[in-house]
Amino acid sequence: DAGITQSPRHKVTETGTPVTLRCHQTENHRYMYWYRQDPGHGLRLIHYSYGVKDTDKGEVSDGYSVSRSKTEDFLLTLESATSSQTSVYFCAISESWGAKHAEAFFGQGTRLTVV
Amino acid sequence: EDKVVQSPLSLVVHEGDTVTLNCSYEVTNFRSLLWYKQEKKAPTFLFMLTSSGIEKKSGRLSSILDKKELFSILNITATQTGDSAIYLCAVELSNSNSGYALNFGKGTSLLVTP
Repeated sequence: DAGITQSPRHKVTETGTPVTLRCHQTENHRYMYWYRQDPGHGLRLIHYSYGVKDTDKGEVSDGYSVSRSKTEDFLLTLESATSSQTSVYFCAISESWGAKHAEAFFGQGTRLTVV
Repeated sequence: EDKVVQSPLSLVVHEGDTVTLNCSYEVTNFRSLLWYKQEKKAPTFLFMLTSSGIEKKSGRLSSILDKKELFSILNITATQTGDSAIYLCAVELSNSNSGYALNFGKGTSLLVTP
């Protein structure tokens, strides 16, 4: 299994509080992604990173920010959590070479509940 | 707007049946199409397809891509209860920042009954 660790695995927080989710990899992969998964929507891309300090928005980036200060860590921050951000969050990583670069490996997910 | 549409959204079959899952897409800057299986937690990779008409096969699972008609199918023969899962289709897109991203469909929930 690819070395991806998400923390925390579960979190309950109050509306209006900031929350940071962490994704840590030991594979030295260039690309890292944050997705959220909700019933009826599948996996939706929030933000992704294509290198240290290089990030870009996905399709549902409003209310989220990310940072990648080193290769192995990609942080997702909810500036002021809202109930609509209750979801399961997945981190994914992938390399960028050859024909296999699109194969993404996923972390185990973080279940976030905003009350 | 880029779209990835999977059908059916859910399916119940008996063990031993053959199933076909569909994925159609309308995207710009297509690079590849991927299938994932999600059982309990994280999706796990099944296939990556980049060329039309070339079947990828792994055991009882196979998949093919039609880049002219913009769809892919995932076939599972002689289904087993262990095949019960959500099957996700994703399309890889390139973008202007020299990066790429995966756009996922909503998934097909497959239940195989004994």
